[in-house]
Amino acid sequence: GNSVTQMEGPVTLSEEAFLTINCTYTATGYPSLFWYVQYPGEGLQLLLKATKADDKGSNKGFEATYRKETTSFHLEKGSVQVSDSAVYFCALSATSNDYKLSFGAGTTVTVRA
Amino acid sequence: GAGVSQSPSNKVTEKGKDVELRCDPISGHTALYWYRQSLGQGLEFLIYFQGNSAPDKSGLPSDRFSAERTGGSVSTLTIQRTQQEDSAVYLCASSPGPVFNEQFFGPGTRLTVL
Repeated sequence: GNSVTQMEGPVTLSEEAFLTINCTYTATGYPSLFWYVQYPGEGLQLLLKATKADDKGSNKGFEATYRKETTSFHLEKGSVQVSDSAVYFCALSATSNDYKLSFGAGTTVTVRA
Repeated sequence: GAGVSQSPSNKVTEKGKDVELRCDPISGHTALYWYRQSLGQGLEFLIYFQGNSAPDKSGLPSDRFSAERTGGSVSTLTIQRTQQEDSAVYLCASSPGPVFNEQFFGPGTRLTVL
């Protein structure tokens, strides 16, 4: 079946530190990959996505590259801010015709000033 | 514009009672999804509606769970004879079309079953 495994948290960083959250997946076919973010007290928001191998999704200084050879979609940001404190979810839809999202467990990130 | 809204934001109920959770999707979005977010299980897909097609109920955990979508807009998730393991945050999402579209999530309903 389809599944997503992401780095367990919580992760605590200082402002301006480098952030990496690992995400690997198992899926048949050619999945689309997503990172969603949930800020405190808010709903899930799409942060970035990639729909085919070697695509790089980017938004708000975050980047993730779809690596088919390693079945990974790691999230990175070079210099985090306090406002990046949130829970981050890696997700996939198994094919371009699949509407269901399969989510990882979520990684809680806290950035200290 | 208005996003996905859900009500109530919090619901506390006693074991064995029925509950109804409401979702108002973004106007014009034809696809609507329910997910459940719980400590033990993470985020799980529950049910999907697309236009007038039969819903995909494959994620519903038991026959105590049901959902309907009236007029292609508002959706209600009903849980009958609630159990403590039903305690979770229930998330609704909508998207402009059936496939490969960004899903826009509501803030969720936190359900606590005592």
